Amino acid sequence: AQSVTQLDSQVPVFEEAPVELRCNYSSSVSVYLFWYVQYPNQGLQLLLKYLSGSTLVKGINGFEAEFNKSQTSFHLRKPSVHISDTAEYFCAVSDPGGYNKLIFGAGTRLAVHP
Amino acid sequence: NAGVTQTPKFQVLKTGQSMTLQCAQDMNHEYMSWYRQDPGMGLRLIHYSVGAGITDQGEVPNGYNVSRSTTEDFPLRLLSAAPSQTSVYFCASTDRDSYEQYFGPGTRLTVT
Repeated sequence: AQSVTQLDSQVPVFEEAPVELRCNYSSSVSVYLFWYVQYPNQGLQLLLKYLSGSTLVKGINGFEAEFNKSQTSFHLRKPSVHISDTAEYFCAVSDPGGYNKLIFGAGTRLAVHP
Repeated sequence: NAGVTQTPKFQVLKTGQSMTLQCAQDMNHEYMSWYRQDPGMGLRLIHYSVGAGITDQGEVPNGYNVSRSTTEDFPLRLLSAAPSQTSVYFCASTDRDSYEQYFGPGTRLTVT
């Protein structure tokens, strides 16, 4: 069975600093990988996805993530964060035939301080 | 284009009561899903549908029923509410071309 582990439940960071949110997954088959963001009292919004091809994926709002098959990781990075990036971030995995059935990690709360 | 809409936004139920959470999408997506979100657990899949008349169970289906009579609507029914069903419920529809799931704003349910 697939599973997702987000290694940090909370990440505090100062504005304009770089940030990395870590995600590891376990699966015995090929996977699709996603990062979603949830702003307070809202639904989730897709940041970026990895389906195949280039292992470096760029998303919205300046975020990017790198798929590392040997380490089964899909870490999310941003070189310089803004106050508006304060939100909860979820890593999710699916198998290629079941991309409507996502398995989510527990989430990482990013808090950007001035 | 409203995307995915959910009603109600908030609901308080007593143990044993039943209710239906409504979900509708106007993007003509065949795939739709229901998730529940609990603190420290992320989102967990309750039920999903790959088209009108076709539904299947997800990770945590017990205590919930779904039906899909039209492409647009995918209601979630709680048959006999229990305090363990206190949660935030999200409906989503999936674009089969981009693989992106579009989420509704959620329903916050409290069972006392």
